[in-house]
Amino acid sequence: SQTIHQWPATLVQPVGSPLSLECTVEGTSNPNLYWYRQAAGRGLQLLFYSVGIGQISSEVPQNLSASRPQDRQFILSSKKLLLSDSGFYLCAWTQGAHGYTFGSGTRLTVV
Amino acid sequence: AQSVSQHNHHVILSEAASLELGCNYSYGGTVNLFWYVQYPGQHLQLLLKYFSGDPLVKGIKGFEAEFIKSKFSFNLRKPSVQWSDTAEYFCAVPEVYSGAGSYQLTFGKGTKLSVIP
Repeated sequence: SQTIHQWPATLVQPVGSPLSLECTVEGTSNPNLYWYRQAAGRGLQLLFYSVGIGQISSEVPQNLSASRPQDRQFILSSKKLLLSDSGFYLCAWTQGAHGYTFGSGTRLTVV
Repeated sequence: AQSVSQHNHHVILSEAASLELGCNYSYGGTVNLFWYVQYPGQHLQLLLKYFSGDPLVKGIKGFEAEFIKSKFSFNLRKPSVQWSDTAEYFCAVPEVYSGAGSYQLTFGKGTKLSVIP
């Protein structure tokens, strides 16, 4: 069966520090992968998506970047975090029009 | 671009009350429709989905949703809520013009449901 792993679960980072959040999928190949940010009262905002290795599309210009070094690995990064980067980050995968399966999320607090 | 409206930000109900959460989307045509639920401290999980056929869709835990094409709506219902239904509920619809093969979902802002015992 397919599973999705996301880590870390929580992270507290100082302003200006780098960020790396990792997401991996097991039990499937060539999934579409997504990074969303969830903010209270604002729903889910699509940040990046990827349809294949090395293929990244950005939906919102910001301080973040994404990479897909392997078929089932999706990484969200930042060189220098801002206070406004605080939030709950969700990774998701899908194959075709069957909806998403979400990871458990990472709560990022920038201090 | 697709937009999804969830009319209620926070709904408070007593146990055994009936629930209806509204969801409207902006773009018609062929749509797949989803409701996701996020229980406190847990990750988002699929509650139910509509692809085609009977517009009344049954999901887990006694939830159902009705797709009304003429109203661009996909409202979520439950005849009798329980305390354990306390959660945040998100409606989602595919984006109109996703990048090739990307299949993006657009989510509503969510409705927080609090059920009082």
